[in-house]
Amino acid sequence: ETGVTQTPRHLVMGMTNKKSLKCEQHLGHNAMYWYKQSAKKPLELMFVYNFKEQTENNSVPSRFSPECPNSSHLFLHLHTLQPEDSALYLCASSQGNRGSGNTIYFGEGSWLTVV
Amino acid sequence: AQKITQTQPGMFVQEKEAVTLDCTYDTSDQSYGLFWYKQPSSGEMIFLIYQGSYDEQNATEGRYSLNFQKARKSANLVISASQLGDSAMYFCAMRENNAGGTSYGKLTFGQGTILTVHP
Repeated sequence: ETGVTQTPRHLVMGMTNKKSLKCEQHLGHNAMYWYKQSAKKPLELMFVYNFKEQTENNSVPSRFSPECPNSSHLFLHLHTLQPEDSALYLCASSQGNRGSGNTIYFGEGSWLTVV
Repeated sequence: AQKITQTQPGMFVQEKEAVTLDCTYDTSDQSYGLFWYKQPSSGEMIFLIYQGSYDEQNATEGRYSLNFQKARKSANLVISASQLGDSAMYFCAMRENNAGGTSYGKLTFGQGTILTVHP
């Protein structure tokens, strides 16, 4: 069982819908991340939160809106998405934000399909 | 410039044999970390092994070992005694320590290698 859980695992939404992805980590970590994995492309970092504060937004369109109410929970709010946003969205966490040795642990991912 | 290069889109190995998955990287930092992850078809990204740039010995974790050649900037993953359950996508990733204090430990991934283990 992974220490990072994501819900829902699968989501199909229309372009006019509003939905949210949820991530919860049970590892006592301070930093949380959203990554996007599209077909035939390397994983792309979207957002980084450290102690609930957003520290990085990797030029992500505003139709993706992250929220981090505490160090254990991370949301990704989705609205007016495009079909090209269909991808696997992976949440991750790590103990700290500094130091190259802090391992980043991932959840099982949320498969998103935009129709 | 691509920072992580995995040149093998797909690899095949016979069960119980060893296999090496290649990874080369590019960085100007002196301090960095190299990671390998396994991703089965379910989607979960599973951490396998870590190598720090200052580690003098190659990392090992059970059947996984990392062949770290710093001068050549390569960090190949060796899986010994392959099992059918090892069939998955494998990603090499790098975490640079500090880019003016703002990198916050993000990972840069390669394109991945699909490993298929035959019985």
